Amino acid sequence: NAGVTQTPKFRVLKTGQSMTLLCAQDMNHEYMYWYRQDPGMGLRLIHYSVGEGTTAKGEVPDGYNVSRLKKQNFLLGLESAAPSQTSVYFCATRATQAGEYEQYFGPGTRLTVT
Amino acid sequence: GENVEQHPSTLSVQEGDSAVIKCTYSDSASNYFPWYKQELGKRPQLIIDIRSNVGEKKDQRIAVTLNKTAKHFSLHITETQPEDSAVYFCAASINSGGYQKVTFGTGTKLQVIP
Repeated sequence: NAGVTQTPKFRVLKTGQSMTLLCAQDMNHEYMYWYRQDPGMGLRLIHYSVGEGTTAKGEVPDGYNVSRLKKQNFLLGLESAAPSQTSVYFCATRATQAGEYEQYFGPGTRLTVT
Repeated sequence: GENVEQHPSTLSVQEGDSAVIKCTYSDSASNYFPWYKQELGKRPQLIIDIRSNVGEKKDQRIAVTLNKTAKHFSLHITETQPEDSAVYFCAASINSGGYQKVTFGTGTKLQVIP
């Protein structure tokens, strides 16, 4: 039972390059989220998904795209990386049962864009 | 949208003393208030949470209080230990069209001095 996993753990990109971050979960949770964490700014929601095949924009979606083709996977894509996207990215999941609000976070991906 | 403010941004206490972290929120419809602990280089982990129908909740050395009228909630850690040193995030959650939207505070770095 791995919980929530993220790949890769670290990545360095040059400006303009593209990449995809993978979040995988074996918790059978419907809700999945992508956050970015920057010093002094807490966690900010990029995109989220309430189920397989659905995605929605969060607080800071510009420059990112997502896909949820399978329930257990949530992908975050950067088509043309910019230095402003240097950050630590966390994926999270949540169950859909009424009253179950806790989010479970992955270990994070540290991305540097030069 | 919801705005969550967290204070202080840094806090140093002597081992054995108490630590208090305070958060305010703006949307009176928020109904769930979790607190996360994040150790250096690790993922955020839920340590305690409180629902809007409860004024106080305690779990061993950790307690959270909620004042809905004033729209603020606080984390109290008693008998602090060096392993309590971490960044703590508060959050406020609101049901938005069937989706539980979570807004995080900017974090408090707690240092417990042995």
